[in-house]
Amino acid sequence: GDSVTQMEGPVTLSEEAFLTINCTYTATGYPSLFWYVQYPGEGLQLLLKATKADDKGSNKGFEATYRKETTSFHLEKGSVQVSDSAVYFCALSEPGGYQKVTFGTGTKLQVIP
Amino acid sequence: DAGVIQSPRHEVTEMGQEVTLRCKPISGHDYLFWYRQTMMRGLELLIYFNNNVPIDDSGMPEDRFSAKMPNASFSTLKIQPSEPRDSAVYFCASSFNRDNSPLHFGNGTRLTVT
Repeated sequence: GDSVTQMEGPVTLSEEAFLTINCTYTATGYPSLFWYVQYPGEGLQLLLKATKADDKGSNKGFEATYRKETTSFHLEKGSVQVSDSAVYFCALSEPGGYQKVTFGTGTKLQVIP
Repeated sequence: DAGVIQSPRHEVTEMGQEVTLRCKPISGHDYLFWYRQTMMRGLELLIYFNNNVPIDDSGMPEDRFSAKMPNASFSTLKIQPSEPRDSAVYFCASSFNRDNSPLHFGNGTRLTVT
């Protein structure tokens, strides 16, 4: 079955540091890939997505590139802010109309001033 | 759009009591999902509906859990009787019936069973 593996957290960075959160996946078809972010006390919200190989999703300074050859979708940001402190979830969705999403375990990011 | 609305935000109950969690999805969305989040097990899919019909309930932990979607704008998740191990944050999410359509989550219900 489908699966998503994320790097273990928590990740602690100083403000303006470079961020990478690794994500790899296993899927039977050609999935769409997503990064969701969860701020304290809130539900998950979509951060970015990519729907086919070599697509780059981007939003709020975050980027991730769909790498089919390495089955990866690593999240990056060049300069993190304290407000980026949250839990980040990598996820995939297989095409076919049934919309079942497989989530990773989440990576907690803490950015210190 | 108001987004996915869940109620209550917090629920504290005693073991053995019935608990009902409520969800109003985004208007026009075809899919509705119920998730449970705990520190130990992360985010677990309990059940999801398409056009008000349950499609997959294999994630429902046991018969004490049941979910209904009587119409396109309302769903409930019921636990009867509740147990301390049911303590978690329960999320409802909805989405369109299109490939690549993202999930839209509510802010969750934090359930504490004492």
